[in-house]
Amino acid sequence: RKEVEQDPGPFNVPEGATVAFNCTYSNSASQSFFWYRQDCRKEPKLLMSVYSSGNEDGRFTAQLNRASQYISLLIRDSKLSDSATYLCVVRNYGGSQGNLIFGKGTKLSVKP
Amino acid sequence: NAGVTQTPKFRVLKTGQSMTLLCAQDMNHEYMYWYRQDPGMGLRLIHYSVGEGTTAKGEVPDGYNVSRLKKQNFLLGLESAAPSQTSVYFCASSYSSSGGIRDTQYFGPGTRLTVL
Repeated sequence: RKEVEQDPGPFNVPEGATVAFNCTYSNSASQSFFWYRQDCRKEPKLLMSVYSSGNEDGRFTAQLNRASQYISLLIRDSKLSDSATYLCVVRNYGGSQGNLIFGKGTKLSVKP
Repeated sequence: NAGVTQTPKFRVLKTGQSMTLLCAQDMNHEYMYWYRQDPGMGLRLIHYSVGEGTTAKGEVPDGYNVSRLKKQNFLLGLESAAPSQTSVYFCASSYSSSGGIRDTQYFGPGTRLTVL
């Protein structure tokens, strides 16, 4: 089983739609969680960290369920500019320091 | 403030050739990382460094060597390139890795390497 698994996608949605991405992680010792965004042929950029209580940043809401080892990202009122690949990322402290584990990503395409 | 820069942006090598990829950061970050990204594989950590003069192996270190002689630079070397090393290489840096916002990794724009 892969350490971080995401919905395979792609997700094709109209502007204004609400879309949700799911991610599961296998290491119960994982301590930090993130969503990164990667535009086509560009570098990954941090979208938001994911906190245990859930957190929101504008149209983006991230949730964490440690018991189920599940992370989600909700995007409301999708914009054309949201088209990108969204990477679920976990970090395990101890052992290999600085080790981010990346999911393969879910591609989102927002259409007019 | 340029952030993280990578040189070169593109390169084509023949099997057996060697090359060095340069990563530079101007954010005074202690930690630096080299990743490779392949279709369907996600990003995988090659090597990383927790400070000047230190390096450590990541998930896929074979065929690569690294050096961190200066805090701001992290070099990735391929001594004898193979077609399996065709990939996009990303460098990243962070202030720390002990938890919190200072762990945020900032990525360079990537180097697209093709080995024929």
